[in-house]
Amino acid sequence: GAVVSQHPSRVICKSGTSVKIECRSLDFQATTMFWYRQFPKQSLMLMATSNEGSKATYEQGVEKDKFLINHASLTLSTLTVTSAHPEDSSFYICSAEGAGEKLFFGSGTQLSVL
Amino acid sequence: QQQVKQSPQSLIVQKGGISIINCAYENTAFDYFPWYQQFPGKGPALLIAIRPDVSEKKEGRFTISFNKSAKQFSLHIMDSQPGDSATYFCAASLRNQGGKLIFGQGTELSVKP
Repeated sequence: GAVVSQHPSRVICKSGTSVKIECRSLDFQATTMFWYRQFPKQSLMLMATSNEGSKATYEQGVEKDKFLINHASLTLSTLTVTSAHPEDSSFYICSAEGAGEKLFFGSGTQLSVL
Repeated sequence: QQQVKQSPQSLIVQKGGISIINCAYENTAFDYFPWYQQFPGKGPALLIAIRPDVSEKKEGRFTISFNKSAKQFSLHIMDSQPGDSATYFCAASLRNQGGKLIFGQGTELSVKP
């Protein structure tokens, strides 16, 4: 099956710093990747759609200047949380669209901002 | 109209029993309905998915039942095992937007030995 690798799996940072999360499709090319956010015991909320070679599309209420998305190649998308604050602490999950519109998820990144 | 409502929030089933999780949607334009399994600290994994042109799909112990007129679909896990204990999410998406999923609230399943 299709594999999506997400790195790092866990990161702790100080308030005010920036954190970059990588999402790679290992065995297929993904022109479209998605970034979700999940709070404890809650559902996944779509943050943005990442399109290779173009600007990301952000969902309503998501600050594009805070959550920078770059999709520079067909196998890599990155999410940078800029000037992170404790309220940004969450589980961030990426996904990539494979053949037949099937969506494959990464293993997630637990961000803790102190 | 974009919501997907999932129930129950939590479910306890004995080993060997049948686990049933239900979802309902409003938007009749949805045409892809996947179910995902998520273990703590991990990303969701696709279990099984269905499109509205069929009423049932079975893969191993997992079955999706789809009722287009009622705008409801459900996941049945036959012969439930302790290893099935996880959180299950239903989801839906619009035609040609299969990656832009609207998720249900999730069901925490616990299978007791």
